[in-house]
Amino acid sequence: DAGVIQSPRHEVTEMGQEVTLRCKPISGHDYLFWYRQTMMRGLELLIYFNNNVPIDDSGMPEDRFSAKMPNASFSTLKIQPSEPRDSAVYFCASSIPGQGTQYFGPGTRLLVL
Amino acid sequence: QQPVQSPQAVILREGEDAVINCSSSKALYSVHWYRQKHGEAPVFLMILLKGGEQKGHEKISASFNEKKQQSSLYLTASQLSYSGTYFCGTDSRGGADGLTFGKGTHLIIQP
Repeated sequence: DAGVIQSPRHEVTEMGQEVTLRCKPISGHDYLFWYRQTMMRGLELLIYFNNNVPIDDSGMPEDRFSAKMPNASFSTLKIQPSEPRDSAVYFCASSIPGQGTQYFGPGTRLLVL
Repeated sequence: QQPVQSPQAVILREGEDAVINCSSSKALYSVHWYRQKHGEAPVFLMILLKGGEQKGHEKISASFNEKKQQSSLYLTASQLSYSGTYFCGTDSRGGADGLTFGKGTHLIIQP
């Protein structure tokens, strides 16, 4: 079975540009999580969805960040406008309810110049 | 609130043992352990639910003391492949909610 799929794997953009990260969870997983990882702050939960509905977005740093899950097989994380401090690795993970185990995608390495 | 992991880093020779600790200030429903190799995604190792159970897989095991809100990961007779950063993720609400991860423990195994 395919794991969590993320695209792009690498993104280099200039400050002020819009960035869209994409995620396809494992089929049958009802929970989807977006995390950000930096050296300074470690792994931070940004937002998570249950059955396509956002449950907790308290980790989203600012209004510049938004996330959507239009259907069970696709989610996006958008940053508009992007800033250099947004540079990080963004992971998407999915899980089965009641099991707790989260399966991480390969991540998107974002560099904002 | 972020759980606290200790030590921050440890260097071992192959065959030696290591213990990584994870402590939370909040009551925990479960503790999850992940390992991440450089440039890769975190990979699930094991989950411990409240009840003080201990789990193991080959030479890696873990315990969970819910009263103390602490978990420990034990690596026995370490192998070179154990190198990486180990994260504990804590869940205080039950179910499959998002985890709060510690800052990680860097483990280096030398031949």
